[in-house]
Amino acid sequence: AQTVTQSQPEMSVQEAETVTLSCTYDTSENNYYLFWYKQPPSRQMILVIRQEAYKQQNATENRFSVNFQKAAKSFSLKISDSQLGDTAMYFCAFKFGNEKLTFGTGTRLTIIP
Amino acid sequence: DTGVSQDPRHKITKRGQNVTFRCDPISEHNRLYWYRQTLGQGPEFLTYFQNEAQLEKSRLLSDRFSAERPKGSFSTLEIQRTEQGDSAMYLCASSLGWIQSSYEQYFGPGTRLTVT
Repeated sequence: AQTVTQSQPEMSVQEAETVTLSCTYDTSENNYYLFWYKQPPSRQMILVIRQEAYKQQNATENRFSVNFQKAAKSFSLKISDSQLGDTAMYFCAFKFGNEKLTFGTGTRLTIIP
Repeated sequence: DTGVSQDPRHKITKRGQNVTFRCDPISEHNRLYWYRQTLGQGPEFLTYFQNEAQLEKSRLLSDRFSAERPKGSFSTLEIQRTEQGDSAMYLCASSLGWIQSSYEQYFGPGTRLTVT
């Protein structure tokens, strides 16, 4: 069974600074997908970024980028130039084969004005 | 709005009562998922459908839980004889896809269940 671990329950950063959220996972599979989802307070979960395990290049989406280390089974999210709207719970998730997502316990990120 | 919708958004029920939740996926999506999220935790997979076929059920889905997706459109999740431990946010998501696809799962706003 796959497991996803997020070791930072809470983080805070000043607006406009850069923050990195950590995620590690455990799997014996070789081809899989990794995701970061954002869940703002009282709002629905949305996809921030995804990474295919077979791709060596790290995914980027505007201010969001990942550091994918397949051998280390690490998948961190970097948010550059953080904005107040980035305040949310962030979940790391893993997907293989039958399409279900396995989530970590989340990191609560607060952007301080 | 063409996103995933869920009804009701909030449900308070007494222990022992039955409850039913509805999820309407994005219209062209053939896959539909149910997850449960308790306070301070990430969502946990319950079950999923491809069209009208229920393809997998988690061990979390006890005999008191049943899910359907008639005609491959909307889905219902029923909990019979609710217990206080059933209190959680029930999330629905939908996607296009086939095996090993990376298609994004779009989540609904959830139904928050409180069992008193």
